Amino acid sequence: ETGVTQSPTHLIKTRGQQVTLRCSSQSGHNTVSWYQQALGQGPQFIFQYYREEENGRGNFPPRFSGLQFPNYSSELNVNALELDDSALYLCASSFFRGAQMNTEAFFGQGTRLTVV
Amino acid sequence: GQQLNQSPQSMFIQEGEDVSMNCTSSSIFNTWLWYKQDPGEGPVLLIALYKAGELTSNGRLTAQFGITRKDSFLNISASIPSDVGIYFCAGQLSDYKLSFGAGTTVTVRA
Repeated sequence: ETGVTQSPTHLIKTRGQQVTLRCSSQSGHNTVSWYQQALGQGPQFIFQYYREEENGRGNFPPRFSGLQFPNYSSELNVNALELDDSALYLCASSFFRGAQMNTEAFFGQGTRLTVV
Repeated sequence: GQQLNQSPQSMFIQEGEDVSMNCTSSSIFNTWLWYKQDPGEGPVLLIALYKAGELTSNGRLTAQFGITRKDSFLNISASIPSDVGIYFCAGQLSDYKLSFGAGTTVTVRA
């Protein structure tokens, strides 16, 4: 069991709406990354949070934003939803030691977002 | 950006067979990881590789980090029905993100 939990597990939203997805990181981990996985594809990196700040970002527009809280949990917010935002959203936690990232990222079960 | 090519895209295997899949990249990586994803679940880490040439086993799974740092392979020995799923390779430099391949879908014939 990885210990990374995500909520909700499934969600249906209408185009143009806003959505917030939540992630609780594994105990002892201080870094959270978010990935988008379209059907039949591998996960694509959205961004990472460390010490409550964005620590890196993939090729996603600004309407994708996030937060990390003092307990290392995180939120992913998506504004102005588009049909192409329909995907499985994955959260992964890891421990960053400073000079070298701990690459053993553990994933949650994901949130399936459907935009209609 | 970094692109990882996984092959084969899918495979049907006979129970008890040994199978192999690989991943190549146009860029070098410092770390290679292999994940397995079951339907409706998140990816589960199988093996992590940290040095070029490294060969690592985890039960019936064996993976190698290519000498050029641009490729990796995963072998499954004596396949069983629970090996069904999608296998992803992922590469990482010294930065923060994982770059994933498109996956190899494995189906086992009993």
